[in-house]
Amino acid sequence: GQNIDQPTEMTATEGAIVQINCTYQTSGFNGLFWYQQHAGEAPTFLSYNVLDGLEEKGRFSSFLSRSKGYSYLLLKELQMKDSASYLCAPYTTGRRALTFGSGTRLQVQP
Amino acid sequence: DGGITQSPKYLFRKEGQNVTLSCEQNLNHDAMYWYRQDPGQGLRLIYYSQIVNDFQKGDIAEGYSVSREKKESFPLTVTSAQKNPTAFYLCASRSGMNTEAFFGQGTRLTVV
Repeated sequence: GQNIDQPTEMTATEGAIVQINCTYQTSGFNGLFWYQQHAGEAPTFLSYNVLDGLEEKGRFSSFLSRSKGYSYLLLKELQMKDSASYLCAPYTTGRRALTFGSGTRLQVQP
Repeated sequence: DGGITQSPKYLFRKEGQNVTLSCEQNLNHDAMYWYRQDPGQGLRLIYYSQIVNDFQKGDIAEGYSVSREKKESFPLTVTSAQKNPTAFYLCASRSGMNTEAFFGQGTRLTVV
């Protein structure tokens, strides 16, 4: 099976930087996805990391350490619209399906 | 426009009735997935299919059934055996191993 751990809730201030961590234990690991989900809506893709290191995409960056089973999503210059849940999802070659963590609810305050 | 469509958006059923949720994609994706989401929770995998006429159980398949007769379609039936069917159901598709999954807008099922 897979074990995925994310903080349940986080609060940050508009304009600040926030880091959302994800740890996972899984066999056959291939890569890790991050998705954003606003309340009542479908998840939307943010990033996919296969190799170790940091991938930057505008205000959002994602980091992966395969040896540590650890990833984080970094959000810079926070905006109110960034208030959402952020889901990490390891992808394994055996199952060939995304398995999602419980998600981190981020609340951005003025 | 290419995309993945779920219908209906809201669905109400009486307890004990089977109900089928529709999922159609015109992205030419091979793989399709069904997830269930309960309030304040993450997504849990129900069933998935990598190719037509083949599908696998996910983590919470009991009380659900699927079919994959066409590449474009992956309907999910919620049977009366599902003890607590009220939830938000999301369908997704993807084209290959290192590609992202695209989601439909979801069906919110309420069983009364």
